[in-house]
Amino acid sequence: EPEVTQTPSHQVTQMGQEVILRCVPISNHLYFYWYRQILGQKVEFLVSFYNNEISEKSEIFDDQFSVERPDGSNFTLKIRSTKLEDSAMYFCASRWPWGTEAFFGQGTRLTVV
Amino acid sequence: AQTVTQSQPEMSVQEAETVTLSCTYDTSESDYYLFWYKQPPSRQMILVIRQEAYKQQNATENRFSVNFQKAAKSFSLKISDSQLGDAAMYFCAYSLPNFGNEKLTFGTGTRLTIIP
Repeated sequence: EPEVTQTPSHQVTQMGQEVILRCVPISNHLYFYWYRQILGQKVEFLVSFYNNEISEKSEIFDDQFSVERPDGSNFTLKIRSTKLEDSAMYFCASRWPWGTEAFFGQGTRLTVV
Repeated sequence: AQTVTQSQPEMSVQEAETVTLSCTYDTSESDYYLFWYKQPPSRQMILVIRQEAYKQQNATENRFSVNFQKAAKSFSLKISDSQLGDAAMYFCAYSLPNFGNEKLTFGTGTRLTIIP
């Protein structure tokens, strides 16, 4: 069964460092998302991406965040200068063109120290 | 803005029994989707069941069923014949149809414990 794959599963980084989280969505999906879950809290929408541009972003997704699809298969989330409060589980998701179900990856746990 | 509320932070049920998890939401829209996602200890988000608001019939998936009350803006999940593998966080979620670009708004989750 096709699945969304995220790497790495766990990343530890020092405050102020740049980090890139990687995702390989399901191959024929066209809509891509990043969500964030701070430990013990609910899952929050960060950004959606379609046709090589951002469709929608939340207020969490400030200038420190960026997304791109560099090679037509990977979908990345970059945090330019990490803060302690960026520590969270980051989930990538993708969706069929006209479907209603988002498929999630297994998540990347980001720890900023 | 749409909000999703799960008023039960934790629930427990005996194995093989039935449990109902509650969810309410707030929206002024008439057409939308509702979902229950399961998050086991592995942390992956797994879709359990979905409901289209325009459908009056309640969705079912094997042991999982929903009670969708549109007027009351209520969307509860019933798990029948609970199994140990059902232990997880359960998140209720909402999205608006938007030509495939539907973002999900999640509730705060309910932690379900299965007692052997």
